[in-house]
Amino acid sequence: QLQLQESGSGLVKPSQTLSLTCAVSGGSISSGGYSWSWIRQPPGKGLEWIGYIYHSGSTYYNPSLKSRVTISVDRSKNQFSLKLSSVTAADTAVYYCASGVTRFSLFDYWGQGTLVTVSS
Amino acid sequence: EIVMTQSPATLSVSPGERATLSCRASQSVSSNLAWYQQKPGQAPRLLIYGASTRATGIPARFSGSGSGTEFTLTISSLQSEDFAVYYCQQYNNWPPALTFGGGTKVEIK
Repeated sequence: QLQLQESGSGLVKPSQTLSLTCAVSGGSISSGGYSWSWIRQPPGKGLEWIGYIYHSGSTYYNPSLKSRVTISVDRSKNQFSLKLSSVTAADTAVYYCASGVTRFSLFDYWGQGTLVTVSS
Repeated sequence: EIVMTQSPATLSVSPGERATLSCRASQSVSSNLAWYQQKPGQAPRLLIYGASTRATGIPARFSGSGSGTEFTLTISSLQSEDFAVYYCQQYNNWPPALTFGGGTKVEIK
């Protein structure tokens, strides 16, 4: 069973870049048939898909965030990462990493989430 | 962007009763619709995909129906652990532009 764990800075200044990592255990990030996603949830609000990456390295992003987002994979560490540039207070949220196994565009396994606050 | 609208925003139900949650898409998503359950302080959990297929380990009291633009999640007899927020998600587009509904909170009446 896959397990995912987010890590990274919990406080980011406006205009800077948010960086998070998701460590994967119980499976290989290089295995075919999986997608590796980032999803966020502002406090008290709903879910927003940020983007995902396949084992092949192909990436797909939410069109509304595409200009600011980069998702990448580090196979040597069995982890994947999120970078979100030029952040504002509107980017304050709990950020989840997740994996699609049943379908690439579903989220079968989730990390516990990490709160990122954008503030000076 | 496909907009997903869930109703009602809050549903008050007594334990043992049936709960019916609705999700509407702004354009057809065929059967490419999933439901998630989220409890306070936890990550969401996949319940249903393909509009009506239960994910692994999901109890039979959860059922989904619908296609096109109108979808329903039914919880046949609410248990205490079912009080939570439920989200629908469409995955019909290619390239993917995945979107969630705003959620329905199922609370104890």
